[in-house]
Amino acid sequence: IVMTQTPLSSPVTLGQPASISCRSSQSLVHSDGNTYLSWFQQRPGQPPRPLIYKISNRFSGVPDRFSGSGAGTDFTLKISRVEAEDVGVYYCMQGTQYPPMYTFGQGTKLEIK
Amino acid sequence: EVQLVESGGGLVQPGGSLRLSCSASGFSFGSYTMHWVRQAPGKGPEFVSAIDNNADNTFYADSVRGRFSISRDNSENTLYLQMSSLRPEDTAVYYCVKMWYAIRSLDYWGQGTLVTVSS
Repeated sequence: IVMTQTPLSSPVTLGQPASISCRSSQSLVHSDGNTYLSWFQQRPGQPPRPLIYKISNRFSGVPDRFSGSGAGTDFTLKISRVEAEDVGVYYCMQGTQYPPMYTFGQGTKLEIK
Repeated sequence: EVQLVESGGGLVQPGGSLRLSCSASGFSFGSYTMHWVRQAPGKGPEFVSAIDNNADNTFYADSVRGRFSISRDNSENTLYLQMSSLRPEDTAVYYCVKMWYAIRSLDYWGQGTLVTVSS
């Protein structure tokens, strides 16, 4: 499954919303009825940090300004009001195909205007 | 607190070998599937290999199958990746990662260890 993110770069103004799109080459609905789509944030020099799992569920400690939505092959990560600490690269990841493997999108760089 | 600490990275010539280790603490290591994920410079993360909790099943990306071998020692809370026949395209930061299988996602990552394959 190929994961395609848009845009590749997103300049945003502090306090304004941001949106990142992720499209999969085939449906991510698993035979068990779940959709295993996750989002990660990677700040410079750091490992990826998990934000969202199963489309719209936040991991513990993730601020509620982050939200996920979508279904089937089209998914979106939204930040309601961008803060300076949100700068980094965001990746979507499908886990539906695991085992034996999972795949990430190519990443979207969020930067401040 | 969950901690994953990788070691063993470094500079190696093409065709060479390297063994990565990951020391885990803060959770019941023997109960979880563990993974190696790599990230080449300027690229996104890429699945490398996975091993289930009791090492009955292992999985590999096509790009490393036959060259890399994953293993674990649950008595020592340690994950390993034996890499051989290394190629320049294997150059990357290698992360040790814990999977939360019920949600098919990766909930804890180590800081990574850099492997550079170059002559």
